[in-house]
Amino acid sequence: GDSVTQMEGPVTLSEEAFLTINCTYTATGYPSLFWYVQYPGEGLQLLLKATKADDKGSNKGFEATYRKETTSFHLEKGSVQVSDSAVYFCALTPNSGGSNYKLTFGKGTLLTVNP
Amino acid sequence: EPEVTQTPSHQVTQMGQEVILRCVPISNHLYFYWYRQILGQKVEFLVSFYNNEISEKSEIFDDQFSVERPDGSNFTLKIRSTKLEDSAMYFCASSEYRGTGGRGEKLFFGSGTQLSVL
Repeated sequence: GDSVTQMEGPVTLSEEAFLTINCTYTATGYPSLFWYVQYPGEGLQLLLKATKADDKGSNKGFEATYRKETTSFHLEKGSVQVSDSAVYFCALTPNSGGSNYKLTFGKGTLLTVNP
Repeated sequence: EPEVTQTPSHQVTQMGQEVILRCVPISNHLYFYWYRQILGQKVEFLVSFYNNEISEKSEIFDDQFSVERPDGSNFTLKIRSTKLEDSAMYFCASSEYRGTGGRGEKLFFGSGTQLSVL
């Protein structure tokens, strides 16, 4: 079945450091790929998405590129802020078969950014 | 931005007891979901619900689980006889459209209910 593997945390960075959180996936066909973020005390929020190969999703300074050849969707940000401290989840849904609401998540990566 | 609301934020129960986790989805949404995350493990899909019936459920969602939309605003998850292994964070989600595919629709998640079974 489909699966998502993401970098184990926790990750601790200083403000303005460069962030990479690795994510690789296993899926049949051409899934849609997502990054969700959960800030303390809040729900999971969609951060960015990409629905086909070579698409780049971006939001709030975060980027991720859908790489079919390496089955990866790594999350990057050039300069993190304290307010980026949260848990980040990589996820996918199938693009066919009618179950494209069923997200398959990774375990989540806790990011802490220190001032 | 509209929110999905879950109550309570933390529920403690004794093994074998029934629990009901409550969710208020976004008002114009038609599709509803429950996911859960056992500590240290992945967020897992449990069930999807549309038009007052289950549209899909995972193998986790056995006869001990049920869902209901009792009054047109709430969406509940009931666990009839809780087990220790049911301890997890339970997330409710809703969406206006079916799915998260290329049309740009998305799932809105609540902040979760942490269920602790003792």
